[in-house]
Amino acid sequence: EIVLTQSPGTLSLSPGERATLSCRASQSVSSSYLAWYQQKPGQAPRLLIYGASNRATGTPDRFSGSGSGTDFTLIISRLEPEDFAVYYCQHYGRSLWTFGQGTKVEIK
Amino acid sequence: QVQLVESGGGVVQPGRSLRLSCAASGFTFSSYGMHWVRQAPGKGLEWVAVIWYDGSHQFYADSVKGRFTISRDNSKNTLFLQLNSLRAEDTAMYYCAKYSGSDYRHFDFWGQGTLVTVSS
Repeated sequence: EIVLTQSPGTLSLSPGERATLSCRASQSVSSSYLAWYQQKPGQAPRLLIYGASNRATGTPDRFSGSGSGTDFTLIISRLEPEDFAVYYCQHYGRSLWTFGQGTKVEIK
Repeated sequence: QVQLVESGGGVVQPGRSLRLSCAASGFTFSSYGMHWVRQAPGKGLEWVAVIWYDGSHQFYADSVKGRFTISRDNSKNTLFLQLNSLRAEDTAMYYCAKYSGSDYRHFDFWGQGTLVTVSS
């Protein structure tokens, strides 16, 4: 079973700063099956990025995803107040779906 | 627009059962696989189960295999999750999520969730 490890656990930044979130897989995975979600307190998760680098409908272009193999990255180029939330990466493999443990982006 | 509305959560004693429902609208329900994902209080997301668009296949996380059953009624645009032999560690918000239906294997829409609390 593939394990996804996200880092850092918490990222403390100010609005306008750049956020770099990491998702590392325990073995090489297909980038087609790597997605990112955003979750705000009291809300359901929302799809941001699929296929490692494709923005979902409605995802602002300040969000970008990249990576391959075992290392994937979500970048928020300039943090807006509404971007402070928890972010999860997710992978599909062999009829199983797994999530990373999440990275919380908080206001510094 | 896509809407997913979960119901059926509540407080239940350990060992008892519960049935969750997810009413879908805004898309052709019978054409898409559907999932359940849960989130324990203050914790991360855990995938629970998936059912194929026609109900022909189901897959489960090891943590619920043999205790939970996913099903669907395409005539009523409704997804179900039968939870049996409930344990304290099953306490969580349960979300239904629509499968993308593409080659990318992600969840493109989520419901707001229904809370299950297992406690004596």
